[in-house]
Amino acid sequence: TAGITQAPTSQILAAGRSMTLRCTQDMRHNAMYWYRQDLGLGLRLIHYSNTAGTTGKGEVPDGYSVSRANTDDFPLTLASAVPSQTSVYFCASSPDSNQPQHFGDGTRLSIL
Amino acid sequence: QKEVEQDPGPLSVPEGAIVSLNCTYSNSAFQYFMWYRQYSRKGPELLMYTYSSGNKEDGRFTAQVDKSSKYISLFIRDSQPSDSATYLCAMSAGTGRRALTFGSGTRLQVQP
Repeated sequence: TAGITQAPTSQILAAGRSMTLRCTQDMRHNAMYWYRQDLGLGLRLIHYSNTAGTTGKGEVPDGYSVSRANTDDFPLTLASAVPSQTSVYFCASSPDSNQPQHFGDGTRLSIL
Repeated sequence: QKEVEQDPGPLSVPEGAIVSLNCTYSNSAFQYFMWYRQYSRKGPELLMYTYSSGNKEDGRFTAQVDKSSKYISLFIRDSQPSDSATYLCAMSAGTGRRALTFGSGTRLQVQP
């Protein structure tokens, strides 16, 4: 069972460039999430989607955008990357917003 | 002050020891409590999920929640080198609240 697939697994990006991190789940979960994980700060929510067609802002949304055109995909876009966005990004999903979340293996992103 | 506090460790124990991992929190609205295990360069993996106060056991793992003290624990019996990982506590208020609030994680090393 694939669960959640994130791509790419790692990327080095020049500051000012744009990038889309991909996330696909095959569990037909309604809710999906994007987190960033930084040393000493833990996991922080960037954006979320409770169902296809809806999105919402998390704790640290600035500089990021998301879309949810269908149930399975939840891409995260950095329009103009800055060095402070260097982090490990995790996508997660849950059957609904009250259920435990399941995570992908992350994208390691370095902005130079 | 962080909403969820977790000692970062590292915690080093010999194989076979009983491990106790803990988190404290300040938000009395939290009622769903989770423990995740994260191996290096992998995503968090759900270990335990409990609602409100009490104990829950699953194999070598026991989760305890004391809402009156705002304190949760994860016990690992007969620890194995394969238990070496970072353990993250997470919690939410539930009832449609989409965000999990995570501790920053405790790194555990089980020495053979």
